[in-house]
Order: sequence, then structure tokens, then C-alpha cells
Amino acid sequence: QKEVEQDPGPLSVPEGAIVSLNCTYSNSAFQYFMWYRQYSRKGPELLMYTYSSGNKEDGRFTAQVDKSSKYISLFIRDSQPSDSATYLCAMSASRDDKIIFGKGTRLHILP
Amino acid sequence: DGGITQSPKYLFRKEGQNVTLSCEQNLNHDAMYWYRQDPGQGLRLIYYSQIVNDFQKGDIAEGYSVSREKKESFPLTVTSAQKNPTAFYLCASSPTPGQGLYEQYFGPGTRLTVT
Repeated sequence: QKEVEQDPGPLSVPEGAIVSLNCTYSNSAFQYFMWYRQYSRKGPELLMYTYSSGNKEDGRFTAQVDKSSKYISLFIRDSQPSDSATYLCAMSASRDDKIIFGKGTRLHILP
Repeated sequence: DGGITQSPKYLFRKEGQNVTLSCEQNLNHDAMYWYRQDPGQGLRLIYYSQIVNDFQKGDIAEGYSVSREKKESFPLTVTSAQKNPTAFYLCASSPTPGQGLYEQYFGPGTRLTVT
């Protein structure tokens, strides 16, 4: 079983829809969870990070962590064509551990 | 791209040649990293450095070498020993070690093609 699993997509949704992106993981020691957005031929940019369980909201983006299920989600409200990108989840067990990345989900927002 | 510069954006080399990829940051970050990204493979850690003049191997260090002589700079050399060097290479940095290897900031990447 891989440490971090992420559906590669592509996921296509109409503009204005709510998007749900997800990752599952196997290492119960993970406590730091991140989401990165990567546009084509660009480096990833950090969107959000959370510590332990719970929700975190930033504008149209909400990150959710369910440690009991080993499942994290990123919700995008009122999706825009500019949200079309690859979204990478990432996590680590402690502040001094290396980050484990998911393979990324390609998202297409259709105008 | 968050104060991290990678050059060049595209690089072409013949098989058997060593090539050095540049990474510079002006974020005053102590830690720097090199990743390789292949389609369907995600990000794989090649080398990382938490302080000047010190670096550690990541998961796929074979065929690569690095140096960290200055805080701002962390060049990566892809040697002829790397069996499959064609890939997208990403450099990243993060704040002071001990305050988190999370929250890494990435450069724009260098796409290396070896023929």
C-alpha cells in the first residue's frame, strides 16, 4: 500500500460547481497536511496547510482532515476556469520529517 | 514564483554529458531541496540541504550530485550515471530547520531532455 494515494483524474466539472479533491494515506503518524496547486509547466504553489484534524477555510478553498479515516479533502467553491490545474496533496509526520506527496489530480473547470 | 529562480527553463543535452541545473533563492531560507517530477510519478526527493555546506540524499540520489556553498544557491548536477535523466526538475526551499520541513516553496522548474 502506498503511503499517499490520490486519484490522478482528470476531473472535469462545469464552472461554478463545488469541487472535491481527496487523498487517502496509510501512515497514522502524519500530522501536517498540505495542498499544492500546480499549473502546467510551473512549480507547485502552496495553497493551504493544516495541522492534525479539522477544517481550514481560505476564501473559496476549504481543507478538511479526518485522521480517523486517514482521509483529507480540498473543496473549491464557485469553481473558475482559472482553477484548472493539478492539485497535489502532501503530508508529513512531524516538522522535521520529509514531506510525502501524492501524485496529483488534474482538474479541468469547463466554462 | 516565491523568490526562487531556476535556470534555464528548458535544457537539452546529449547522453553521456553531465549537466548542472541552477537554483537560487532570496527568501533567506535555510533549507533547500531538489525534486524530480515524472508523469504519473509525483514528486520524488533527490537531495536536500538544511544548512550551508551540508546536504543529505533523498529517495533517488543515484546519478545526481549537489553542493551548498552559499545559503542562496543549491545547484544540482545530473551526471552521466543517471540512467533516465529526462524529467522536470523542481527546486524548493523552506524556513529554518526545526520550524518545519513543511511549507516548502517551489521554483518554476527546469525541463531537462537528454537524447
